[in-house]
Amino acid sequence: DADVTQTPRNRITKTGKRIMLECSQTKGHDRMYWYRQDPGLGLRLIYYSFDVKDINKGEISDGYSVSRQAQAKFSLSLESAIPNQTALYFCATSDFGTGLNNEQFFGPGTRLTVL
Amino acid sequence: GDSVTQMEGPVTLSEEAFLTINCTYTATGYPSLFWYVQYPGEGLQLLLKATKADDKGSNKGFEATYRKETTSFHLEKGSVQVSDSAVYFCALVVLNTGNQFYFGTGTSLTVIP
Repeated sequence: DADVTQTPRNRITKTGKRIMLECSQTKGHDRMYWYRQDPGLGLRLIYYSFDVKDINKGEISDGYSVSRQAQAKFSLSLESAIPNQTALYFCATSDFGTGLNNEQFFGPGTRLTVL
Repeated sequence: GDSVTQMEGPVTLSEEAFLTINCTYTATGYPSLFWYVQYPGEGLQLLLKATKADDKGSNKGFEATYRKETTSFHLEKGSVQVSDSAVYFCALVVLNTGNQFYFGTGTSLTVIP
């Protein structure tokens, strides 16, 4: 079974709709992240959370919100989707305890298309 | 600020050719450096890493050496295979920035038989 799962894997929606992307992990990690991937731009950080009570904005948080429902769950919401939010979205996790050796573990991605 | 710059793609090589993907970085502190690989339709997975100057990370025939004097972490492989076709991302993390990763834009590699 995958350690980091994302649902849905693909979603097509219309401008103005509210969308929620969900991420779950079984790795027991404290830290969770949401990124978006766009061609030619690489991965950009949207939000990150170091524990259930800690939420931080990343590089491109405008138009997005998150909820850390439990250590294992981190959801990303688009309050009113717009076409330039069409992208591939990745959730990632990392362990607090290993300092500079922290590796991030990625989910399989959610492909979101906003029409 | 912290950032990573990697060579533009796409890169197309014949099987058994030598691969180099360049990566340079800018960091406010002392970074750890990583290469991630993304196979078609999948998420990113760690390929190799190095945490201090002159360290060499290696995995699956790929190597990269942490060069502080040139702020570089170039990825190399002596003989690529078709199965190496993927997108490769260079990344860094600096501990005092809260373990926030910074990724390069990715380099697409296609290996043809």
